[in-house]
Amino acid sequence: AQKVTQAQTEISVVEKEDVTLDCVYETRDTTYYLFWYKQPPSGELVFLIRRNSFDEQNEISGRYSWNFQKSTSSFNFTITASQVVDSAVYFCALSPDYKLSFGAGTTVTVRA
Amino acid sequence: DTEVTQTPKHLVMGMTNKKSLKCEQHMGHRAMYWYKQKAKKPPELMFVYSYEKLSINESVPSRFSPECPNSSLLNLHLHALQPEDSALYLCASSQRGGNEQYFGPGTRLTVT
Repeated sequence: AQKVTQAQTEISVVEKEDVTLDCVYETRDTTYYLFWYKQPPSGELVFLIRRNSFDEQNEISGRYSWNFQKSTSSFNFTITASQVVDSAVYFCALSPDYKLSFGAGTTVTVRA
Repeated sequence: DTEVTQTPKHLVMGMTNKKSLKCEQHMGHRAMYWYKQKAKKPPELMFVYSYEKLSINESVPSRFSPECPNSSLLNLHLHALQPEDSALYLCASSQRGGNEQYFGPGTRLTVT
């Protein structure tokens, strides 16, 4: 069984602050994939990143960065210098193959 | 072109109606998905089609009937729905299992 825990329900920051979203997962599979998705108020889920279980390299894409630590089963996401457009619900997800298991989501509100 | 389209955007139907939701992708993906999302909750997987064959049915009630006419199209036929079926219905596609899924904008369904 797969389980994803996003302990932070809501985070509110002022523009330009950094924000880190926590994601902890459980799985018995040795091969699996981790994802982050963004869901703005418009409703469409936007794919941000995919990581496979054998690739623990951290990644940076613009203001976004991800820290994958297999030892602690965590896949955390940091937004640097947040902007109002970053306001959304962010979902962490886990999949061994086709079935995505989502965390409950973290609502990020960035205030101007 | 990473785009999944869904029609209609909004749908209001009575409990005795029959309607269909449509989804299309032109990315050459071989897996397509239907999800249901209630307000303030993560998406829940309903069905997975892989190479045009139904590979996962998450014990969805028979009033929801999926159909995959070809590799680019996915339909969800609705009949005798209940008010609790009101939700955002999201379609997604991926190259194969374990790959990132690309989501459409969703159909917001209201059952009266």
